Amino acid sequence: AQSVTQPDIHITVSEGASLELRCNYSYGATPYLFWYVQSPGQGLQLLLKYFSGDTLVQGIKGFEAEFKRSQSSFNLRKPSVHWSDAAEYFCAVGEAAGANNLFFGTGTRLTVIP
Amino acid sequence: DTAVSQTPKYLVTQMGNDKSIKCEQNLGHDTMYWYKQDSKKFLKIMFSYNNKELIINETVPNRFSPKSPDKAHLNLHINSLELGDSAVYFCASSQWVGGVNEQFFGPGTRLTVL
Repeated sequence: AQSVTQPDIHITVSEGASLELRCNYSYGATPYLFWYVQSPGQGLQLLLKYFSGDTLVQGIKGFEAEFKRSQSSFNLRKPSVHWSDAAEYFCAVGEAAGANNLFFGTGTRLTVIP
Repeated sequence: DTAVSQTPKYLVTQMGNDKSIKCEQNLGHDTMYWYKQDSKKFLKIMFSYNNKELIINETVPNRFSPKSPDKAHLNLHINSLELGDSAVYFCASSQWVGGVNEQFFGPGTRLTVL
């Protein structure tokens, strides 16, 4: 069965510092992997996605993520965090066929301090 | 232009009432979804519709009934509301982009059952 684990419930970083949010997945085939961001009171916005090809993918707002099959991981990174990045971040794995559902992790809340 | 819209944004109601949440997408997508986000921010798929036909129905009480009058709309009707139904409900729609099923989310409807 598909599942996603985000080990960090809450992370606090200083503005300008680098960021890495962890995501581990369990999926029987080649996964579709996504990172979404949810700002307070808002819906989910897609940051980036991976299906195949280059294992380092670039997304919006200066985010990138690296797919590592050997570690079943898809960690999200940003070299320099801005105060506006404070939000909830969700990693998700998508089905390759059938209903194409997304299975989400429990999210990581990012706090940015001045 | 709003891609995926939901109404209402907030819904406060008494236990035992019946309520509906509406969702519309103007992206021309064939597939639409309903997700439930609980108080711990966990997101879980409830229903998935493709071309007005139900293609998945996760373990959801039959008090919840989705209705898709056309490809652009997917409404959620809830009968006999219970306290545990309090959550944020997200609608989404999807299409295949570059071999990946990419989902776009609405802003959410926060349902509070008193």
